[in-house]
Amino acid sequence: DTGVSQDPRHKITKRGQNVTFRCDPISEHNRLYWYRQTLGQGPEFLTYFQNEAQLEKSRLLSDRFSAERPKGSFSTLEIQRTEQGDSAMYLCASSLGQAEAFFGQGTRLTVV
Amino acid sequence: SQKIEQNSEALNIQEGKTATLTCNYTNYSPAYLQWYRQDPGRGPVFLLLIRENEKEKRKERLKVTFDTTLKQSLFHITASQPADSATYLCALGSTSGTYKYIFGTGTRLKVLA
Repeated sequence: DTGVSQDPRHKITKRGQNVTFRCDPISEHNRLYWYRQTLGQGPEFLTYFQNEAQLEKSRLLSDRFSAERPKGSFSTLEIQRTEQGDSAMYLCASSLGQAEAFFGQGTRLTVV
Repeated sequence: SQKIEQNSEALNIQEGKTATLTCNYTNYSPAYLQWYRQDPGRGPVFLLLIRENEKEKRKERLKVTFDTTLKQSLFHITASQPADSATYLCALGSTSGTYKYIFGTGTRLKVLA
């Protein structure tokens, strides 16, 4: 499978715990995006990487959220001290330049 | 602020008919626009991309138009099938100032057999 891969698919965590999600983009894609989606809404932008550089972050992204893309390959998104409001689908997408973006299947986070 | 509007109500259509979905935007000048399909619990699947200098794009039974004067895109599915039932999202992209795509809330399409 040469599409965007996300792991895990589902994560249930207790409030206050830290969680980390992984995204493996399509190998030749230099652009990587993280989005968050809640029920009935469209995906909401979180952050963007071009190769290993994080070039854009949403102002909505609190300091509990951090993302990395070491070596410009896979990316991780960490949420510290999770809150119930963090419950959502976290989506990763990649693209080659200003072209169509391909999404992974997402990680469904439930904070209890 | 930037705003994207898609039909918030579900669209029900009879099998074989043409489904037309609308994406309107304000306070934005996108360089390109994308349409995605999303099934429940799954990530969006890319369908079509149209650039600001293109009026129309086609792919099999799909057609997208882009009117930068009206600030509107129309997405058509001809000869619709029950398997086309899903939520369809439009997303705007810029070539300056931001790298992000801005998504609408999506329109749920149901094709009735």
